[in-house]
Amino acid sequence: AQRVTQPEKLLSVFKGAPVELKCNYSYSGSPELFWYVQYSRQRLQLLLRHISRESIKGFTADLNKGETSFHLKKPFAQEEDSAMYYCALRLTGGGNKLTFGTGTQLKVEL
Amino acid sequence: SQTIHQWPATLVQPVGSPLSLECTVEGTSNPNLYWYRQAAGRGLQLLFYSVGIGQISSEVPQNLSASRPQDRQFILSSKKLLLSDSGFYLCATLKGSGANVLTFGAGSRLTVL
Repeated sequence: AQRVTQPEKLLSVFKGAPVELKCNYSYSGSPELFWYVQYSRQRLQLLLRHISRESIKGFTADLNKGETSFHLKKPFAQEEDSAMYYCALRLTGGGNKLTFGTGTQLKVEL
Repeated sequence: SQTIHQWPATLVQPVGSPLSLECTVEGTSNPNLYWYRQAAGRGLQLLFYSVGIGQISSEVPQNLSASRPQDRQFILSSKKLLLSDSGFYLCATLKGSGANVLTFGAGSRLTVL
């Protein structure tokens, strides 16, 4: 089965501390993975995708096929990073469908 | 650029009543369209997707149905709502051609009492 698992519902860190949001996937073949973010009172939006190998707002995510993981990391958390984060996997078959994890609420405290 | 409109933004309905949520897209033609439901503790669940007018694929068995009467219009419906239909419903479309990035609408919050 093609599945995404985010084990943490809530992650609370202090400002300036490192952040790691965990994401594991189940997929046979070459996966295409994404991180989406939803800030308070804003629409769900793309944060980054693994094929771009980019850093967005200081966040990076590396695909680890051995561990089937795509954890989201940032060395120094900022207050404005507080949001709901979803890891997503593109499914095989038609329609360009994405399956999402259950999400992790990140709270950055001062 | 693409813009997604969803309405109503908020809806409170009694059990057994019908439902119609509408989604329209601007700035693109022949888009792939998706309905997701965001429920507490369950993340985002894909309900339906459509690759063209009149073409609907259902991802999970449920009390809901979807229709696509026009190229840029996607409707989520129910004949009789259940309590379990409560949730936040998001319409989405693919951003740009050849990309697998979803653009989401602002959502419709449905509460069934």
